Amino acid sequence: GEDVEQSLFLSVREGDSSVINCTYTDSSSTYLYWYKQEPGAGLQLLTYIFSNMDMKQDQRLTVLLNKKDKHLSLRIADTQTGDSAIYFCASPRGTGNQFYFGTGTSLTVIP
Amino acid sequence: GAVVSQHPSWVICKSGTSVKIECRSLDFQATTMFWYRQFPKQSLMLMATSNEGSKATYEQGVEKDKFLINHASLTLSTLTVTSAHPEDSSFYICSASWSYTDTQYFGPGTRLTVL
Repeated sequence: GEDVEQSLFLSVREGDSSVINCTYTDSSSTYLYWYKQEPGAGLQLLTYIFSNMDMKQDQRLTVLLNKKDKHLSLRIADTQTGDSAIYFCASPRGTGNQFYFGTGTSLTVIP
Repeated sequence: GAVVSQHPSWVICKSGTSVKIECRSLDFQATTMFWYRQFPKQSLMLMATSNEGSKATYEQGVEKDKFLINHASLTLSTLTVTSAHPEDSSFYICSASWSYTDTQYFGPGTRLTVL
């Protein structure tokens, strides 16, 4: 089956950059996604990257994709306290749109 | 755009009763909706996939007679937890997508507590 792995916790100081990493095993995914979940809420789509891209930048967010190593990262520049949340990477199963979700990384931003 | 709502946002019920949770896509037609379950501090576990007008496809280990899913229209799917027990207490999240993209848009979740 598919494995999507993430580190469980990350703590950064306000204003620093955060880097959240994800590794996956299904190389047939067309897109890879990052979602944000705040306490007691559903998932908010943050950004996604097409599998033939290496990098995508969207304001403070930068997604890097290394297809060879099956490694995805999300960099948040100038991290703010409002960025404290759990971040999930998601990989679709093959050509369908059922997702494998990572374990989630809990980001804590220290003022 | 791409807003998904869930109702109720939280519900408390007695053991043995049934609870219905609604998932609506507010501004798009969702041919596919997904139901997830999330335990505290854990990732999302896909329970079932429903396509409008057809029977839901359940993941292995999910009892289809206990978790009844209906996707009768392109904007509404319902999950009914039948004869709920305390172990069914969880956070249930739905998502929806339309046909030409793989992106899933998530509802805000429903917190179910069974006493």
